[in-house]
Amino acid sequence: GAVVSQHPSWVICKSGTSVKIECRSLDFQATTMFWYRQFPKQSLMLMATSNEGSKATYEQGVEKDKFLINHASLTLSTLTVTSAHPEDSSFYICSARDRFGAFFGQGTRLTVV
Amino acid sequence: QQPVQSPQAVILREGEDAVINCSSSKALYSVHWYRQKHGEAPVFLMILLKGGEQKGHEKISASFNEKKQQSSLYLTASQLSYSGTYFCGTVLNAGGTSYGKLTFGQGTILTVHP
Repeated sequence: GAVVSQHPSWVICKSGTSVKIECRSLDFQATTMFWYRQFPKQSLMLMATSNEGSKATYEQGVEKDKFLINHASLTLSTLTVTSAHPEDSSFYICSARDRFGAFFGQGTRLTVV
Repeated sequence: QQPVQSPQAVILREGEDAVINCSSSKALYSVHWYRQKHGEAPVFLMILLKGGEQKGHEKISASFNEKKQQSSLYLTASQLSYSGTYFCGTVLNAGGTSYGKLTFGQGTILTVHP
């Protein structure tokens, strides 16, 4: 299957700072990538759809000014959590599709202290 | 619209079989199955696109019913490594493509004991 790489794997940041998470499709070009958030013992909740060269589409209830998504190339999408607060602590996972299925990056565990 | 998975949890002994179901109130374009280990990202198992389709790899297989509203994941002769949380992800058949929004069920926790 397709290889999706996410970086960093974990990050601890202070409240009020911003954190950038990168998602790369390594062996294919992805015009669309997806960003999910997962709280402990819960399912994956779609936050937004990242579209190469255009604005991201956010799910209802997700603040677009807080979770900035940039999809500048066919292999890279970034999620920036701005002015992070402890309630933003979660597991963030990106996904990219090819014709065989949807594949996930390794995930980023964000802890805001 | 979130698909419904059942059961919520399964406990097995090595060598036993299990079935996990995933249902939607609307027709689906595709169903994706994943396994997630604690602290890790979900790992893709398989995708089903056609009504009536069945596919599998080794001792894990899945089916997609003719109406394309239900899928089942079959785990046979379970191994310790099968333990984890299984999620189905669905793409609605609303003029969608294989690149449509993937919505996940609530997950089924599978525990395999020696």
